[in-house]
Amino acid sequence: DTGVSQNPRHKITKRGQNVTFRCDPISEHNRLYWYRQTLGQGPEFLTYFQNEAQLEKSRLLSDRFSAERPKGSFSTLEIQRTEQGDSAMYLCASSLAGGEAFFGQGTRLTVV
Amino acid sequence: AQSVTQLDSQVPVFEEAPVELRCNYSSSVSVYLFWYVQYPNQGLQLLLKYLSGSTLVKGINGFEAEFNKSQTSFHLRKPSVHISDTAEYFCAVTLLNRDDKIIFGKGTRLHILP
Repeated sequence: DTGVSQNPRHKITKRGQNVTFRCDPISEHNRLYWYRQTLGQGPEFLTYFQNEAQLEKSRLLSDRFSAERPKGSFSTLEIQRTEQGDSAMYLCASSLAGGEAFFGQGTRLTVV
Repeated sequence: AQSVTQLDSQVPVFEEAPVELRCNYSSSVSVYLFWYVQYPNQGLQLLLKYLSGSTLVKGINGFEAEFNKSQTSFHLRKPSVHISDTAEYFCAVTLLNRDDKIIFGKGTRLHILP
């Protein structure tokens, strides 16, 4: 296993467009996290899954954001009607419950 | 809910000098604690973790951290830093034996001065 994989690595989109990111976790990990990171800040929690169940979604997350993890394997994060404030690095991580998180390289989103 | 505070946003230190990066957490129950490092233009990687047992934990690259339950702290230390330690360091916490998320601090940028 090569670790957590995220695609695409970079995405430039026009304001108002929808974007979708994919995360493939480490295969035996049952927990999957999405975070957002802006310059000079720590990873900000967005949502996380235990297997296919979404356990929590941040209250900071607007209704334009949705995440899925069908069959408890890969996950997708969709942002609808993107805004310039959505520009950030979107990080995915996976873990065993109670263990440390292993991070992917992230998807850098630029909304123009 | 748990939270993490990293009081120092930046720490400048001369090469070969010791360094301590501070981390305090708040939680009403027992926690797991982590330190992650992010080198420039790279992803986050685990430096060390405290799950149970000895309160002094050793990690990669000569770093260590001490869990202090009474002071709710988990400070990171290195006796002698190198220019290659220039990076952002993040403290993180999750609740022990609970279905809970991992929460990160805002990070401390370590500047190594020649």
